[in-house]
Amino acid sequence: GNSVTQMEGPVTLSEEAFLTINCTYTATGYPSLFWYVQYPGEGLQLLLKATKADDKGSNKGFEATYRKETTSFHLEKGSVQVSDSAVYFCALQTDKLIFGTGTRLQVFP
Amino acid sequence: EAGVTQSPTHLIKTRGQQVTLRCSPISGHTSVYWYQQALGLGLQFLLWYDEGEERNRGNFPPRFSGRQFPNYSSELNVNALELEDSALYLCASSLYRQGGNQPQHFGDGTRLSIL
Repeated sequence: GNSVTQMEGPVTLSEEAFLTINCTYTATGYPSLFWYVQYPGEGLQLLLKATKADDKGSNKGFEATYRKETTSFHLEKGSVQVSDSAVYFCALQTDKLIFGTGTRLQVFP
Repeated sequence: EAGVTQSPTHLIKTRGQQVTLRCSPISGHTSVYWYQQALGLGLQFLLWYDEGEERNRGNFPPRFSGRQFPNYSSELNVNALELEDSALYLCASSLYRQGGNQPQHFGDGTRLSIL
């Protein structure tokens, strides 16, 4: 079946550090891929998406590229801020969204 | 544009009771999805409604049920509540186009606590 695997957290970084959160997937067909972010006490917000191979999604300085050959959709940001502290979920969508377990990011000043 | 709204924000119930959670989708969205986010279990897909019909169901017992109204709002009902039903219940909505994967937009959730 379809599944998403994310790196374990928490990821702890200093402000302005480079961020990578790994995400790999298993799917039949050609799913769309998403990154969602959940700030404390809130629901999920769509961060970025990619709908086909080699697409790059980007938003708020975050980027992820749909790599079919490695079945990956790693999230990157060149310089994180304290306000980026949240839980990040990778997800794939066919007829429903399937989420990874989430990765908590903690950014310290 | 108003986002997905859910009510109530918090709810406390006891074992064996029944609960109804409500969700209003973004204007123009016809699909509504329900997810359970329990501590340590991640986000689990519950139900998907579109145009008033149940389209898909996750691996949950029949005491989890719901419906979608003609205005596309939705209710999630949980009967015979158990302690492990304590979770954040998230609703999402999207446009639905046959064969297309439209992004889902989430509400802030209803936190259900079972005592």
